[in-house]
Amino acid sequence: DAGVIQSPRHEVTEMGQEVTLRCKPISGHDYLFWYRQTMMRGLELLIYFNNNVPIDDSGMPEDRFSAKMPNASFSTLKIQPSEPRDSAVYFCASSLDADTQYFGPGTRLTVL
Amino acid sequence: GENVEQHPSTLSVQEGDSAVIKCTYSDSASNYFPWYKQELGKRPQLIIDIRSNVGEKKDQRIAVTLNKTAKHFSLHITETQPEDSAVYFCARNSGNTGKLIFGQGTTLQVKP
Repeated sequence: DAGVIQSPRHEVTEMGQEVTLRCKPISGHDYLFWYRQTMMRGLELLIYFNNNVPIDDSGMPEDRFSAKMPNASFSTLKIQPSEPRDSAVYFCASSLDADTQYFGPGTRLTVL
Repeated sequence: GENVEQHPSTLSVQEGDSAVIKCTYSDSASNYFPWYKQELGKRPQLIIDIRSNVGEKKDQRIAVTLNKTAKHFSLHITETQPEDSAVYFCARNSGNTGKLIFGQGTTLQVKP
């Protein structure tokens, strides 16, 4: 199994631009999670899906952030417009049972 | 509250010594407690987990203990090696919501 796949691995963009992060969960996993990691705030859950349906988006910072899961093998996290304070590492994780979560390699986002 | 308190924030030991990291929580509905290891620039990786129906679990040099009454759980690493140097995160689930709440992390340095 390839594990959780994320792209791109690194993204550098300018303030105001749209950013789209992508994730492919482990095949057969019904849960998908988006996290953000910064030195100041640690590892924060942004949103998670069960069977492609968003269950809890209370961690999404504001309306500039949106996430979709059009099918069981693909999810996107979009930031529009991006701001320098969005700079962080964004991890996607997937799980079979909601508890045991496996993380992808992450996308390091830098907003200038 | 929601937080998981993790101590210490940094830990330095000599190779061969033991290391102990402790986490406390307040949500009595939590019944799953994983530990993740994150090397610099890498993804968090699950190293061991425990459910509330057991008090201790071992896997080679690592062990986790859980005291549900006192609401704390600990990671024990014996015979530490330089490759154990990393940031370690504890976490707890939030009832049956699918959410994991993470501690702030412990930076472990094993000196050769």
